[in-house]
Amino acid sequence: ETGVTQTPRHLVMGMTNKKSLKCEQHLGHNAMYWYKQSAKKPLELMFVYSLEERVENNSVPSRFSPECPNSSHLFLHLHTLQPEDSALYLCASSQAGSPYEQYFGPGTRLTVT
Amino acid sequence: RKEVEQDPGPFNVPEGATVAFNCTYSNSASQSFFWYRQDCRKEPKLLMSVYSSGNEDGRFTAQLNRASQYISLLIRDSKLSDSATYLCVVNEWKAAGNKLTFGGGTRVLVKP
Repeated sequence: ETGVTQTPRHLVMGMTNKKSLKCEQHLGHNAMYWYKQSAKKPLELMFVYSLEERVENNSVPSRFSPECPNSSHLFLHLHTLQPEDSALYLCASSQAGSPYEQYFGPGTRLTVT
Repeated sequence: RKEVEQDPGPFNVPEGATVAFNCTYSNSASQSFFWYRQDCRKEPKLLMSVYSSGNEDGRFTAQLNRASQYISLLIRDSKLSDSATYLCVVNEWKAAGNKLTFGGGTRVLVKP
């Protein structure tokens, strides 16, 4: 498998559920990112991991909890979400410290009921 | 003022015509710039990178004006398949990782 993969591609969950989103990159990168894209809004950066350390957390509510066990894998643990958290969640990877582009996974479309 | 601003469009373009649109950014420390293309309900995909004054790739030309802090994208000989949302992305890179700031996107509709 090549590029950046994400599972699941679609997820419907209730507000009391706990679920996890998974991202895997096969590009040899050492930085990974979570973004949120809501309807008619620009992409919002949520978390940045560089060399497996979290280096940025953009005021994201604690009901979102990231985990980066190694440079190829990134998780987003979800619990007690709100309907307004329904969005497309995109994972991306890049080389840290370079001016080069990020590559995106296909995203997980999350619906909170 | 938004960090990265784009005209949301839509730009309705006859097939075969040329279309151009701009993106302005507020952070003068921005170091590199990208245009991404995003199709409906899909992930953004890199279209072009702009590191110096501009870049050209086939029918697509990007130009950077650092003094006025804007980047433009021009599409020549538009194809129906060019219909998409074009995202302007401004990059400030640090040792800890790139910080990409996305514009809201410009929607382009190419019609026969």
